[in-house]
Amino acid sequence: EAGVTQFPSHSVIEKGQTVTLRCDPISGHDNLYWYRRVMGKEIKFLLHFVKESKQDESGMPNNRFLAERTGGTYSTLKVQPAELEDSGVYFCASSYYRELFFGEGSRLTVL
Amino acid sequence: TQLLEQSPQFLSIQEGENLTVYCNSSSVFSSLQWYRQEPGEGPVLLVTVVTGGEVKKLKRLTFQFGDARKDSSLHITAAQPGDTGLYLCAGYGGSEKLVFGKGTKLTVNP
Repeated sequence: EAGVTQFPSHSVIEKGQTVTLRCDPISGHDNLYWYRRVMGKEIKFLLHFVKESKQDESGMPNNRFLAERTGGTYSTLKVQPAELEDSGVYFCASSYYRELFFGEGSRLTVL
Repeated sequence: TQLLEQSPQFLSIQEGENLTVYCNSSSVFSSLQWYRQEPGEGPVLLVTVVTGGEVKKLKRLTFQFGDARKDSSLHITAAQPGDTGLYLCAGYGGSEKLVFGKGTKLTVNP
């Protein structure tokens, strides 16, 4: 069974540009989460989807971040326009209940 | 805001030694999880503890949840180089979002 896959694994962009991260969860997992680790800090929650609905987006930093989950399958996280402080590793996780399966992460570097 | 403080941040030991990693908070968590993360990969769940005072064993790893459900520990017996990695504790408070500690980077030297 395929695990959680994330794309791209690494993205380097200029400040002000747009980046879209994609996450394909494990098939059948209704719950999909986005987390972020900024260098030197702990992994922090961004948002939680249940199927295609946003259950909790309290961790989204600001309105430059937009997450979608098309038809309850894959999810995208768009950052527009990117700022320097957006650099970090973005993890996606999926679950049936509270056993989360994480992807390998997408490392974002904003120059 | 719920916080989880992990200690130590870094730990370098020799193969065969024992070690304990601590995870503390002033908040109560309904459950607490321990993850292990290797470079370039995502965290992998090792265990979930739910009941205050609960002890779970996973081969040479022993996990304990504090009686008040505010703290937890991970003890590794006879550490091996294959145990090297980043160990993270994470807890569920009153919602479905996990709160993570910063992690303990363990290096076991042969």
